[in-house]
Amino acid sequence: EDQVTQSPEALRLQEGESSSLNCSYTVSGLRGLFWYRQDPGKGPEFLFTLYSAGEEKEKERLKATLTKKESFLHITAPKPEDSATYLCAVQALTGANSKLTFGKGITLSVRP
Amino acid sequence: NAGVTQTPKFQVLKTGQSMTLQCAQDMNHEYMSWYRQDPGMGLRLIHYSVGAGITDQGEVPNGYNVSRSTTEDFPLRLLSAAPSQTSVYFCASSSRGGIGAEAFFGQGTRLTVV
Repeated sequence: EDQVTQSPEALRLQEGESSSLNCSYTVSGLRGLFWYRQDPGKGPEFLFTLYSAGEEKEKERLKATLTKKESFLHITAPKPEDSATYLCAVQALTGANSKLTFGKGITLSVRP
Repeated sequence: NAGVTQTPKFQVLKTGQSMTLQCAQDMNHEYMSWYRQDPGMGLRLIHYSVGAGITDQGEVPNGYNVSRSTTEDFPLRLLSAAPSQTSVYFCASSSRGGIGAEAFFGQGTRLTVV
């Protein structure tokens, strides 16, 4: 069974204090690993897709990396507007219609 | 582009009532899916569709029905609402990589069953 574990559950940072969010996964062959951002009362918003170990993607203050067992979402010099819940999900190599398995999310709060 | 539109945004039902949650997308995506999100549980897949006329069950399908008569619409029906179905429901669509991959999500429907 595919599993995704995100840690920590919650993270509070001071503005400008860089940190990383962790996503550990177990999957029977990885098709892709996805990061989403979710603001309160809103639907998840797609951030990144990573397909193979060693791959990295960047967007503004965010950088996602991938190994064979985990992914990190690095946040450099965060701002209060980066406060949100960050979701990680994996898609297995079990056919073209394979489904996503989500982690429980990490709630990030950035204080001014 | 409106993206993925869900209606209603909020709904209160009595136990045993039925209702339909609406989902429409204007991006001509093949793949559409319904998730529920509960505190401490993460997003869980209810049903999904890979194209008009084709649907399948996800992780938690009991108590829900779906149909997909057009590419644009993917309604979710609650047959006889139960308090355990109190949740936030999200509809999503994607164009490649299978369901969920690089998906666009709606704003959600917050359902309370009393």
